[in-house]
Amino acid sequence: DSGVTQTPKHLITATGQRVTLRCSPRSGDLSVYWYQQSLDQGLQFLIQYYNGEERAKGNILERFSAQQFPDLHSELNLSSLELGDSALYFCASSSSSYNEQFFGPGTRLTVL
Amino acid sequence: DQQVKQNSPSLSVQEGRISILNCDYTNSMFDYFLWYKKYPAEGPTFLISISSIKDKNEDGRFTVFLNKSAKHLSLHIVPSQPGDSAVYFCAASRASNTGKLIFGQGTTLQVKP
Repeated sequence: DSGVTQTPKHLITATGQRVTLRCSPRSGDLSVYWYQQSLDQGLQFLIQYYNGEERAKGNILERFSAQQFPDLHSELNLSSLELGDSALYFCASSSSSYNEQFFGPGTRLTVL
Repeated sequence: DQQVKQNSPSLSVQEGRISILNCDYTNSMFDYFLWYKKYPAEGPTFLISISSIKDKNEDGRFTVFLNKSAKHLSLHIVPSQPGDSAVYFCAASRASNTGKLIFGQGTTLQVKP
């Protein structure tokens, strides 16, 4: 158990819909990272938050957004969903950029 | 442009022997490297890391070697056990920057009893 929790574990929705994925970091970790793993793709960095502020952006679509709340949990919002958005979405947390990131179990999103 | 590459999609070794997984990178600004192990339908599990100021780090059966001039790192598992069978990802970051991880494509390791 990494200490990082993600909900829901599975999500099935239709094209055009909007979903919210939730992540709670390990106790004390200020940094939250979101990654996407599509079929036949490695893990791709999406976005990072540090203590409530956006810190870095990767290949994140404009239809996607995220935020980190004062209690440090984070949410990833995916809107106008397309079939190609079906993937595993992982959240990770760390105490600093010089330390390892601990990953949650992921949310499997299926867009039909 | 793939900055971190794992050129071997799969590796099969006998139980008790050494497993060597390789990873190459192109960005000389990377200063922190990590290996993760992943089972299907689970999140990656951290194994071992190495800073760019070192060339070797050891933790039990796992050793990571870093060759900065060749932009190459490797993970050695000795002795290999059937429970080590999983997908192994190497990752690199600029810890001096944001620390976001750039992952390789992964190598599937099978350890045969």
